[in-house]
Amino acid sequence: AQSVTQPDIHITVSEGASLELRCNYSYGATPYLFWYVQSPGQGLQLLLKYFSGDTLVQGIKGFEAEFKRSQSSFNLRKPSVHWSDAAEYFCAVGGYNNNDMRFGAGTRLTVKP
Amino acid sequence: KAGVTQTPRYLIKTRGQQVTLSCSPISGHRSVSWYQQTPGQGLQFLFEYFSETQRNKGNFPGRFSGRQFSNSRSEMNVSTLELGDSALYLCASSLGGQRIDTQYFGPGTRLTVL
Repeated sequence: AQSVTQPDIHITVSEGASLELRCNYSYGATPYLFWYVQSPGQGLQLLLKYFSGDTLVQGIKGFEAEFKRSQSSFNLRKPSVHWSDAAEYFCAVGGYNNNDMRFGAGTRLTVKP
Repeated sequence: KAGVTQTPRYLIKTRGQQVTLSCSPISGHRSVSWYQQTPGQGLQFLFEYFSETQRNKGNFPGRFSGRQFSNSRSEMNVSTLELGDSALYLCASSLGGQRIDTQYFGPGTRLTVL
């Protein structure tokens, strides 16, 4: 069964600094990978996804993620964080045979002024 | 296009009652999935409906049920509510043509069970 691990529960970065959120997955075949962001009291907004092809994926709001099969990772990056990026970030994996995604526990991002 | 809408946004119920939550998918989307989000368990998949049929089901008791109508709108029902059912219930819609598809989430319904 697929699973996702987000090792960092909470990360604090200064505004303007770079950001990397870690995600490791477990899945027997080619995974379908997603990053979502959730602001307090809100639903989840899709940042980016990886289905196949180029392993470096560009998303919205200046985010990107790189799929590394050898490391079973799909880390999310942003070169310069803005205060509005403060939120909770979820990595998710889905398998081809079903539409039930497995989510990581989430990483809460705090941005210092 | 309008996004996924969920009603109501907030609900307060007491133990033993039942509740029905509603989800309207993005126009043209035929798949609707439901998730439960709690601080302790995180996001957990409940079930998915496609063309009025339950296509996938998570590991939840039979008190949790759902259905989908011909216009793709979906309802989720929880009977005999327990305190542990307090959660944010999220609905997500997708085109549904592929077995795995990009899901777009609604704002959720916050259920509090007293």
